[in-house]
Amino acid sequence: GAVVSQHPSRVICKSGTSVKIECRSLDFQATTMFWYRQFPKQSLMLMATSNEGSKATYEQGVEKDKFLINHASLTLSTLTVTSAHPEDSSFYICSARVQYEQYFGPGTRLTVT
Amino acid sequence: AQSVTQLDSQVPVFEEAPVELRCNYSSSVSVYLFWYVQYPNQGLQLLLKYLSGSTLVKGINGFEAEFNKSQTSFHLRKPSVHISDTAEYFCAVRIRGKLQFGAGTQVVVTP
Repeated sequence: GAVVSQHPSRVICKSGTSVKIECRSLDFQATTMFWYRQFPKQSLMLMATSNEGSKATYEQGVEKDKFLINHASLTLSTLTVTSAHPEDSSFYICSARVQYEQYFGPGTRLTVT
Repeated sequence: AQSVTQLDSQVPVFEEAPVELRCNYSSSVSVYLFWYVQYPNQGLQLLLKYLSGSTLVKGINGFEAEFNKSQTSFHLRKPSVHISDTAEYFCAVRIRGKLQFGAGTQVVVTP
């Protein structure tokens, strides 16, 4: 089956630093990838949609300068949280779409101290 | 406007008992419907999906769901649960290429 990986699985960083999260589709090519954010005991909130080779489309209320998304190839998308603050602490999940299905990565737990 | 409502935030159930998780949606356009399961600190795994055709959809791990257009519902069922079914379950609709998730239902299976 289709596998999506994320790296790192957990990261702790200091306030003011930047953190990059990688999302890879391991055995398929994904023209479209999605980034979600999930707060404890809550649902997933779509942050942005990225298409290979073009700029990401951000959902309303998501700061594009803070959450930089790059979809450099058909198997890799990255999310960079710039100048992270404690309120950015969350569980970030990426997803890759193939036709009508989306496959999700295992998530990255970001803690900003 | 469209939304997904999961009517139960938590469902306790005994092992080997049946379980039903309720999901209602509202949409002015045709939708695709999904159920996902999330185990602690993990991503989402697709249980089943409805795109078209038969309204009774069978998925993995013994789960099934029925699409009811008139009631705009897509309830998930399993006739006999296991301890390993303890997880968070999300109903989702895809509209114009984007998934919109319900708030989730926590299923807790006890012996």
